[in-house]
Amino acid sequence: GNSVTQMEGPVTLSEEAFLTINCTYTATGYPSLFWYVQYPGEGLQLLLKATKADDKGSNKGFEATYRKETTSFHLEKGSVQVSDSAVYFCALITREELIFGTGTRLQVFP
Amino acid sequence: SQTIHQWPATLVQPVGSPLSLECTVEGTSNPNLYWYRQAAGRGLQLLFYSVGIGQISSEVPQNLSASRPQDRQFILSSKKLLLSDSGFYLCAWSGGNSPLHFGNGTRLTVT
Repeated sequence: GNSVTQMEGPVTLSEEAFLTINCTYTATGYPSLFWYVQYPGEGLQLLLKATKADDKGSNKGFEATYRKETTSFHLEKGSVQVSDSAVYFCALITREELIFGTGTRLQVFP
Repeated sequence: SQTIHQWPATLVQPVGSPLSLECTVEGTSNPNLYWYRQAAGRGLQLLFYSVGIGQISSEVPQNLSASRPQDRQFILSSKKLLLSDSGFYLCAWSGGNSPLHFGNGTRLTVT
């Protein structure tokens, strides 16, 4: 079946550090891939997306590339800020279903 | 543009009391609607989804129910709350294979 696996958190970084949050997936067919962000006490917001292999989604300095050969969609940012502290969810959509990863908490300290 | 409204933002209810959370979507027609629950420190759990008026699919057995009385209205209910129903409830909508768009959530505490 389809699934999404995210690295467990929390991920703790100092401000301006490089961020990688790993996400791998298993899916039949050709899913679309997403990253959502949930700031403390709020709902989820779509951060970025990629709809086909080799697409790169980007937003607010975050990037993720849809890698079909490694079935991955790792989230990266070159220099994190305290305001990036949140929970990040990887997700995929196929024609049949929508699946979320369990979320990775990022804590950035000044 | 499309917007989604979810209320109340926070709710404290005693065990055994009823529950009604409401979600409405504006700016789109015939959306797919979803209720998710996020327990403390855990991921998202899909509770219900609906592809049309009166069409509800339940993903997990529980004492919660959902209804869709109008095209853009989705209601989460319970007749008698349990302590284990505490959590953060999120309504979401999508159009076909497009991404989900979430409401701001309702934090429910059952005491």
